[in-house]
Amino acid sequence: GAVVSQHPSWVICKSGTSVKIECRSLDFQATTMFWYRQFPKQSLMLMATSNEGSKATYEQGVEKDKFLINHASLTLSTLTVTSAHPEDSSFYICSARDPRGTDTQYFGPGTRLTVL
Amino acid sequence: AQKITQTQPGMFVQEKEAVTLDCTYDTSDPSYGLFWYKQPSSGEMIFLIYQGSYDQQNATEGRYSLNFQKARKSANLVISASQLGDSAMYFCAMREGAPGNQFYFGTGTSLTVIP
Repeated sequence: GAVVSQHPSWVICKSGTSVKIECRSLDFQATTMFWYRQFPKQSLMLMATSNEGSKATYEQGVEKDKFLINHASLTLSTLTVTSAHPEDSSFYICSARDPRGTDTQYFGPGTRLTVL
Repeated sequence: AQKITQTQPGMFVQEKEAVTLDCTYDTSDPSYGLFWYKQPSSGEMIFLIYQGSYDQQNATEGRYSLNFQKARKSANLVISASQLGDSAMYFCAMREGAPGNQFYFGTGTSLTVIP
């Protein structure tokens, strides 16, 4: 299968700071990437769809000024959590759509964010 | 209505036995894709198997097979010869309509393999 990396794998930050998470497709070009948030023992919650070269599409209830998404190239999308607060602490996971074949989404290993 | 329903919060299986994880879906679009992912405790989502709505045969990938019953709108995952490493959360997902559309995920099933 295709490989997607995500960095960092975990981060601890102080309240009020910003955190950037990178998602890279390593062996294919991904015109579309997705950002999810997952709470403990729950399913994935789609936050936004990121399309290369255009603005991200945010799901209802997701603050686009707080969760900034940039998809500057066919292999890289970034999620910046601005002015993070403890309630933003969560597991964030990205996926990249592989347009070849079955249009499968391949996931990065996830980023565990803890805001103190 | 839920797009994907997984009714088994937790399942147990004896090592080397087969296990079926249930998944039903709801869509009126004739074109859709069904996916299963495994999420071990490390958190990474691992793609297991895919079934397209127009596929005539059930998908198989090694020890994984998908029991696709279109009329019943079910896409159950069958794991044969369970191994201890199969203990994880399993998520069923659907993409309806055009490629590139979002995936809808079920609530997941926690599988525990007993030695």
